[in-house]
This record gives sequence, C-alpha cells and structure tokens, in this order.
Amino acid sequence: GESVGLHLPTLSVQEGDNSIINCAYSNSASDYFIWYKQESGKGPQFIIDIRSNMDKRQGQRVTVLLNKTVKHLSLQIAATQPGDSAVYFCAERTYSSASKIIFGSGTRLSIRP
Amino acid sequence: EPEVTQTPSHQVTQMGQEVILRCVPISNHLYFYWYRQILGQKVEFLVSFYNNEISEKSEIFDDQFSVERPDGSNFTLKIRSTKLEDSAMYFCASAGTGNEKLFFGSGTQLSVL
Repeated sequence: GESVGLHLPTLSVQEGDNSIINCAYSNSASDYFIWYKQESGKGPQFIIDIRSNMDKRQGQRVTVLLNKTVKHLSLQIAATQPGDSAVYFCAERTYSSASKIIFGSGTRLSIRP
Repeated sequence: EPEVTQTPSHQVTQMGQEVILRCVPISNHLYFYWYRQILGQKVEFLVSFYNNEISEKSEIFDDQFSVERPDGSNFTLKIRSTKLEDSAMYFCASAGTGNEKLFFGSGTQLSVL
C-alpha cells in the first residue's frame, strides 16, 4: 500500500546534540525518498533526498540513511540548532506513480537550550 | 531565490460556495501540484499536473475539484461547492525537469463556515 509513517510524533534534543528522526515505509516499490522540513505557518521545505539504489546521502549537517531490507529511512541532523525546530516529514514516490509524492505523518523536533 | 507564491493567504467562505485558490509556480518549472494539510495532520496529495493535463489525483480530488493553468504563469485549484471538511491549508508546489524536488508555496488557509 501507500503508507509512509513515523515512529515518534515528537522529539526533544539538547542544542548542539545530534538528532535522529526515523521513518518507516511499507511500499517496497518506492524508489525515491525525500525529507521535508515544515516551520510554523510555512510550506514544506526540501532538505535532502535519496534514491533506492543508495543507502546513504549527506548534505550540509544532514544525512539520510535508507535501509531497504527493513523499509526504514532516517534523517540525522548534526549539531542541532534552534533553527532546526520544525516538523519533519519523510515522503516517498514509486516509479509507477512518478508524479505522486506521498508524505508521512511528521515528527516535531524541539530544541532544548 | 525564485519561489512559489499563493494567493490569498487566507480565504473564508460559506459552505456550498465556490472558491478558487491561486498559485504562481516557479517560472521555468513544468510540474505542478496541489496538496492540503488539515491542522496538525500530514500533508495530503491532491493532484499533479503536467503538459496541461492531470497526471495523477488522489481519492480526495473528486468531481468537486478541478485544476487549471489558464495562462503561462498561473495554476489554480477550484472547489465548486465547498464542504466543512474542505477546511485546511492548501499548498501549491512546482518542480523542474526532474519532477522530484518540489518547491512549496506558503499555502492558503481555507476556512469553510
């Protein structure tokens, strides 16, 4: 089916620590995954993506890991800053529905000073 | 940096009325999308549009919904007869040649009374 979900609805981390946000997906036909950040009152903002033929991709302070065996996706944010406070969504797309990106339920990340 | 713009930012309407939500995608983008987000919930796919026709649509996108690209710059979502449950934040998005990295607008908050 088309189910993309998250393990935890909220995550609180200390400023400066690393954050790890997890996501499970159920469609083994998904070939492309994306992480979006949504700040209050704004639209989702692209963070990083990964194709199914990769298992890791790094950006600036962010890393996405993909484990196709267990259908698991994670977003790691290094040295978390106050500006990282937002809701994070994982999203997926299948090759057969290339113009349909489906969002998961979202994890709220809050930063403790 | 180019951005997707949406108008109005807030729209209040009476149940049964027609509403048109407007979007100006990024100028050289070819793929256009509408998503909606009910408060506190995930971002739901409504429809994707390419080459002047609908590429994919979700179950939410029933006969009450339609999209149009009336000129070279605007992309609209029309709801013919609004229901209370149509109240949500509606996001427009566009993507370039890769049809992958979606850029979202800031949304139109639709309130149906």
